[in-house]
Amino acid sequence: DAGITQSPRHKVTETGTPVTLRCHQTENHRYMYWYRQDPGHGLRLIHYSYGVKDTDKGEVSDGYSVSRSKTEDFLLTLESATSSQTSVYFCAISESVGAHSTEAFFGQGTRLTVV
Amino acid sequence: DQQVKQNSPSLSVQEGRISILNCDYTNSMFDYFLWYKKYPAEGPTFLISISSIKDKNEDGRFTVFLNKSAKHLSLHIVPSQPGDSAVYFCAGGGGADGLTFGKGTHLIIQP
Repeated sequence: DAGITQSPRHKVTETGTPVTLRCHQTENHRYMYWYRQDPGHGLRLIHYSYGVKDTDKGEVSDGYSVSRSKTEDFLLTLESATSSQTSVYFCAISESVGAHSTEAFFGQGTRLTVV
Repeated sequence: DQQVKQNSPSLSVQEGRISILNCDYTNSMFDYFLWYKKYPAEGPTFLISISSIKDKNEDGRFTVFLNKSAKHLSLHIVPSQPGDSAVYFCAGGGGADGLTFGKGTHLIIQP
């Protein structure tokens, strides 16, 4: 199994509070991603990183920010949590992309409930 | 605008028979396609992939077919086993901006 650890695994938080989810990898992969999974929507990309301090927005980035200060850690922050952000969040890593790409490996997920 | 579509939310197949999961895409820039399998309360796990320059890739019981002219791919599982019951996601990829996933198909293998 690829070395990806997400923390926490479960969290319940109140509307309006900030929340940070952590993804830690031991594979030294360059690319890291945050997805959310919701019923009827599959997996949707929130933000991604293509190197230390290099990040960009995905399909559903509103209300989220990310940071990557070192290769192994990718943090996802909900600045002010809303009920619409109740979801299961998955981190993924990939060694390469494009024509010579490798598959992305996923973490176990973080179930976030905003009440 | 859904770039990857899995039009069957669920599929029921008898154990030992062939399971065929379908996926359509609209983005011609995808370099490769992947299938992931997901059990409840776990992260998706990679199953099989295919480059956009190929039309078939096989790995044991799993075969993926790509028809570029129709922008269609399919995953064949033969023979289907009870442990294959899971949600299957089709995804397209190409650049650094990650994979684009379909909504998934829940495969149920009946004994």
